[in-house]
Amino acid sequence: KAGVTQTPRYLIKTRGQQVTLSCSPISGHRSVSWYQQTPGQGLQFLFEYFSETQRNKGNFPGRFSGRQFSNSRSEMNVSTLELGDSALYLCASSWGQGDGETQYFGPGTRLLVL
Amino acid sequence: GENVGLHLPTLSVQEGDNSIINCAYSNSASDYFIWYKQESGKGPQFIIDIRSNMDKRQGQRVTVLLNKTVKHLSLQIAATQPGDSAVYFCAENNAGGTSYGKLTFGQGTILTVHP
Repeated sequence: KAGVTQTPRYLIKTRGQQVTLSCSPISGHRSVSWYQQTPGQGLQFLFEYFSETQRNKGNFPGRFSGRQFSNSRSEMNVSTLELGDSALYLCASSWGQGDGETQYFGPGTRLLVL
Repeated sequence: GENVGLHLPTLSVQEGDNSIINCAYSNSASDYFIWYKQESGKGPQFIIDIRSNMDKRQGQRVTVLLNKTVKHLSLQIAATQPGDSAVYFCAENNAGGTSYGKLTFGQGTILTVHP
């Protein structure tokens, strides 16, 4: 069974631009969570989607948004990019049947904002 | 790496030694815990998990211990190998609440295994 895939793997943008990242979960998984990983803050939860609905959200500004499609694939969008948005963005998938489920991570998208 | 700025704890061991990585978690309501391994340039990889109704769980070469009284989690790796060198994270989830899909991660520990 294929793992979680993320595209693109690397991205360079300039301040003020926007970016869209994509995540395809493990087949059958209906929950997709997004995390930001930086040297200063470590791994931080952005949001979680299940059945095309955002079910939980972390403490990030409204510039960070996401969505999920009927096939469980998910995208996250960051608008008006800032230098501090440079990070590794990770998505993770799980069955979504309840809490306490193992989340399986993709390789991440490394975003550099110049 | 992704965690250099955090001044992560480090553990350096010789190949064949046993390793113990510790983690203090923050939420007394958390009832599901996971250990992940992250190698350079990769996403976190699941190692082992444990629920709060257990205090010990064993996998292949790994054991997780949970002490809810002091909110402490540890990962023991037996016969550590150079391929075990990575950053190890503990993560917690409040399965009984509304924290769907939300894992709260520890800062991580850098494990270096010398041949």
